[in-house]
Amino acid sequence: DAGVIQSPRHEVTEMGQEVTLRCKPISGHDYLFWYRQTMMRGLELLIYFNNNVPIDDSGMPEDRFSAKMPNASFSTLKIQPSEPRDSAVYFCASSLSSSGSGELFFGEGSRLTVL
Amino acid sequence: AQKVTQAQTEISVVEKEDVTLDCVYETRDTTYYLFWYKQPPSGELVFLIRRNSFDEQNEISGRYSWNFQKSTSSFNFTITASQVVDSAVYFCALSGRYTGNQFYFGTGTSLTVIP
Repeated sequence: DAGVIQSPRHEVTEMGQEVTLRCKPISGHDYLFWYRQTMMRGLELLIYFNNNVPIDDSGMPEDRFSAKMPNASFSTLKIQPSEPRDSAVYFCASSLSSSGSGELFFGEGSRLTVL
Repeated sequence: AQKVTQAQTEISVVEKEDVTLDCVYETRDTTYYLFWYKQPPSGELVFLIRRNSFDEQNEISGRYSWNFQKSTSSFNFTITASQVVDSAVYFCALSGRYTGNQFYFGTGTSLTVIP
């Protein structure tokens, strides 16, 4: 089975531009998570979905960030407008669990650099 | 409150030495799950092990072993006869039955195995 697929793997953009990161979870998984990893803050949960519905978006840093999951096989994380402090590796992960017992399967990450 | 503490920020060992990575957790859940992930230099996050709160048996997988002790709220990870390929950042994580599938990650321990 294919794992979690993220695109793009690398993105370099200029401040003010819109950035869209994409994720395809493992088929059959009903939970999808977006994490951000930086040296300063480590791994931060931004938002997670259950059956395509956002459950907790309290980690989304500000209104410039938005995430959608239009169907079970696709999610996007959008930053508009982007700022240099958004530079980080963004991970998507999926799991199959209703009680926190299932491990997260991570994608390879999208490394974002905002100049 | 849910919290994972990895007090060791960086560890260096010489190849073939044994090394233990510490993980201490806090939770109010009576049912919870503990995980270890490996992040090699290539950047992906690789699942290593899951333990549930009802199972305190230690586990061994090849050169890896895990010591779960509820009495001290610890879930330590030992690598025996370390190899250069073990060089990575290792994350301990916690999720709970009643925390809505939130995973709480420690700040990671960077392990360098010197040949």
